[in-house]
Amino acid sequence: AQTVTQSQPEMSVQEAETVTLSCTYDTSESDYYLFWYKQPPSRQMILVIRQEAYKQQNATENRFSVNFQKAAKSFSLKISDSQLGDAAMYFCAYRGGGADGLTFGKGTHLIIQP
Amino acid sequence: GAVVSQHPSRVICKSGTSVKIECRSLDFQATTMFWYRQFPKQSLMLMATSNEGSKATYEQGVEKDKFLINHASLTLSTLTVTSAHPEDSSFYICSAMGTSGGASTDTQYFGPGTRLTVL
Repeated sequence: AQTVTQSQPEMSVQEAETVTLSCTYDTSESDYYLFWYKQPPSRQMILVIRQEAYKQQNATENRFSVNFQKAAKSFSLKISDSQLGDAAMYFCAYRGGGADGLTFGKGTHLIIQP
Repeated sequence: GAVVSQHPSRVICKSGTSVKIECRSLDFQATTMFWYRQFPKQSLMLMATSNEGSKATYEQGVEKDKFLINHASLTLSTLTVTSAHPEDSSFYICSAMGTSGGASTDTQYFGPGTRLTVL
């Protein structure tokens, strides 16, 4: 079974600074997808960024980028120029190559200090 | 694009009653829908996967007779919690994957969730 581990229950960063959230996973599959979702207090899950395992290039979406290390099974999220609206729970998630459900990590609570 | 709705957003019921939660993909056809459960301050746990016109596949430990899932069309899936008890109180979230409209094939789009409280 696949597992996703987020070792940082909570992270705090000053507004406008950069923060990196860690995620590691375990799988025996070669074809899979990785995601970062954001869950604000409204509890609506919002897709932040996705990465296909077969792509070597790290995904980027504006201020959000990932460091995908396939051999190390690591998938960290970097948020640049942190904004107050970035405050939320961030979940790392794994999905196998088929139409499988997501396996989530336990989440990291991100606090933005003004 | 790729909007998923859920109804109701919040429901309170008495122990022993059944509750139905609807999940709809509004602007794309959802070939696969998923149901998750989230307890307070915890992560999401996959309950079941449903494909349109087929029986749902339940995760280990999820009682299929208690959590009835129907995926009768490409835009609607329902979760019925039968004979609900206080321990079923939780936040239930659906997601959908599709191949049309604004949906990206390999991404799950989430509904806003339903908070169920069983008294």
